[in-house]
Amino acid sequence: NAGVTQTPKFQVLKTGQSMTLQCAQDMNHNSMYWYRQDPGMGLRLIYYSASEGTTDKGEVPNGYNVSRLNKREFSLRLESAAPSQTSVYFCASSFRPFTEEKLFFGSGTQLSVL
Amino acid sequence: QKEVEQDPGPLSVPEGAIVSLNCTYSNSAFQYFMWYRQYSRKGPELLMYTYSSGNKEDGRFTAQVDKSSKYISLFIRDSQPSDSATYLCAMSALNYGQNFVFGPGTRLSVLP
Repeated sequence: NAGVTQTPKFQVLKTGQSMTLQCAQDMNHNSMYWYRQDPGMGLRLIYYSASEGTTDKGEVPNGYNVSRLNKREFSLRLESAAPSQTSVYFCASSFRPFTEEKLFFGSGTQLSVL
Repeated sequence: QKEVEQDPGPLSVPEGAIVSLNCTYSNSAFQYFMWYRQYSRKGPELLMYTYSSGNKEDGRFTAQVDKSSKYISLFIRDSQPSDSATYLCAMSALNYGQNFVFGPGTRLSVLP
């Protein structure tokens, strides 16, 4: 049982380049999330998808776009990467959005923007 | 003032010690309180969840919530080297946007 799978694990970009982070879950969860984790800041929500076909902005959406491709997959796109987007990105999923149910996290993507 | 504050550590203790990890928060609307454990280069995983005030015990772990003081704690008894990780508190409230609020995490090292 793979859980939440993120690709790639590491990525280095130059300022202005674009890339897409991929996330897939095999737990039949309805809700999926993208977080970024920065030292001293905690996990911050970028975008989330409460259910297939819907997406909403989180706390720090600027510079990002998302696509809920189907129930399993939720991608995060950086159109024009900036050094401020250097971070560790985590995808997560749950049956229902923002309840007491636990979030299942992927292993993260470490992104550096030079 | 940050919404959720947590001592970043690092905290080093000898094997077998009792560990106390703490978070303070400012929003009295928070009702759900969670502790996540994050090993190096891994995603967080849920350890404990409590609703409102009180204690909850699970094996060597005890979570405490004091809503009157806006203070939550995670106690680890008989700590083991395998407990070495970063511990994140998280909290949420009904009708408080659509988000969990995470603390920055405390890095714990349990030395054999």
